[in-house]
Amino acid sequence: QKEVEQNSGPLSVPEGAIASLNCTYSDRGSQSFFWYRQYSGKSPELIMFIYSNGDKEDGRFTAQLNKASQYVSLLIRDSQPSDSATYLCAVNMGTGANNLFFGTGTRLTVIP
Amino acid sequence: GAGVSQTPSNKVTEKGKYVELRCDPISGHTALYWYRQSLGQGPEFLIYFQGTGAADDSGLPNDRFFAVRPEGSVSTLKIQRTERGDSAVYLCASSLGPKNIQYFGAGTRLSVL
Repeated sequence: QKEVEQNSGPLSVPEGAIASLNCTYSDRGSQSFFWYRQYSGKSPELIMFIYSNGDKEDGRFTAQLNKASQYVSLLIRDSQPSDSATYLCAVNMGTGANNLFFGTGTRLTVIP
Repeated sequence: GAGVSQTPSNKVTEKGKYVELRCDPISGHTALYWYRQSLGQGPEFLIYFQGTGAADDSGLPNDRFFAVRPEGSVSTLKIQRTERGDSAVYLCASSLGPKNIQYFGAGTRLSVL
């Protein structure tokens, strides 16, 4: 069983729409959750992090965390073609581990 | 430095050869991580350093892989007797301390022919 699961996509949305990216994780003790954006051939770039249940907003991005359902999501409002990338969900499992567990990523394409 | 620096950016080697990959973390970051990313996959954890010591090496796939961080800053990932299956992008990340946000370098793309 994979520890962090994401829909690999591809997910296509028209420019200006809301893109919704989802992630589930297996370890109930997980403490911190991250969304990284990765352009093709580039390194992961941190977009958002969230530690507590609820929503966290930063500009056009909103991270949502539901620990009871072991679910974290990323919403991108007013999607732009420059948002086209792979979005990686990463989880710190919190069981003494400091490393991140990554999902396989969701490829997002924003169509102009 | 401004960010995590990794060298070389690309490395092509032959099966059976030895390679070293270098990571220079963000200045002042005590925690350093190595990950490996294969095509179409998310990064997979290899090893974590806190200061000079390897605090967690549970992700190293076998004893051909080794990493050091002798002065608590620059780290070198060493791979002996490379195999074609070692081909991947090797990513280094650093953070201010354990549990803190990790910032990634651009990676080293290793190709084993």
